Amino acid sequence: DQQVKQNSPSLSVQEGRISILNCDYTNSMFDYFLWYKKYPAEGPTFLISISSIKDKNEDGRFTVFLNKSAKHLSLHIVPSQPGDSAVYFCAASGGTGANSKLTFGKGITLSVRP
Amino acid sequence: EPEVTQTPSHQVTQMGQEVILRCVPISNHLYFYWYRQILGQKVEFLVSFYNNEISEKSEIFDDQFSVERPDGSNFTLKIRSTKLEDSAMYFCASSDRSPSNTGELFFGEGSRLTVL
Repeated sequence: DQQVKQNSPSLSVQEGRISILNCDYTNSMFDYFLWYKKYPAEGPTFLISISSIKDKNEDGRFTVFLNKSAKHLSLHIVPSQPGDSAVYFCAASGGTGANSKLTFGKGITLSVRP
Repeated sequence: EPEVTQTPSHQVTQMGQEVILRCVPISNHLYFYWYRQILGQKVEFLVSFYNNEISEKSEIFDDQFSVERPDGSNFTLKIRSTKLEDSAMYFCASSDRSPSNTGELFFGEGSRLTVL
């Protein structure tokens, strides 16, 4: 039951270039989307989020785009830096309930080459 | 900066033994979660806890699992009789708001459980 899909397991980009990380979802009830970053031996840390009422949210070098009709979101990192090398998880929440859980994708490993 | 802390960082146990993983969430947070990640797989939701009771649990969270907030600061995950397939990294998370109300989760560094 893969409600959140990150189909590419890895991405390698040159320092200074743009990294584009993609995520697709199937559950129409999702209305809030988040990206988490994870270094080895650490827990995931929140990076950026977007509500379904928006199609773009920007925070410094990080921009998340949401295409609701396509059920697709992407994280853009520009310019990419070697310190951005990590696993990036797309997550989604939504529906009723006081504390809807987050559903995570499998993650994508980003390597930024110096 | 406040953080979620987890102990132990790594536990090795024999199949069939009971394990308790401990978490201290961020002090003013109200929502608590356990997730796990089996090596090479995605981060999976186990259980959410709010107002001193389980609010949601996944199909993974069967009768062998239980959670408790015994003293208002700790949040524990107990596995009654561990199986080999319980080997994973277990992450505790907390939030001051519901994720559906623009609440991000703050994760601990994880507890690695190895069942032999």
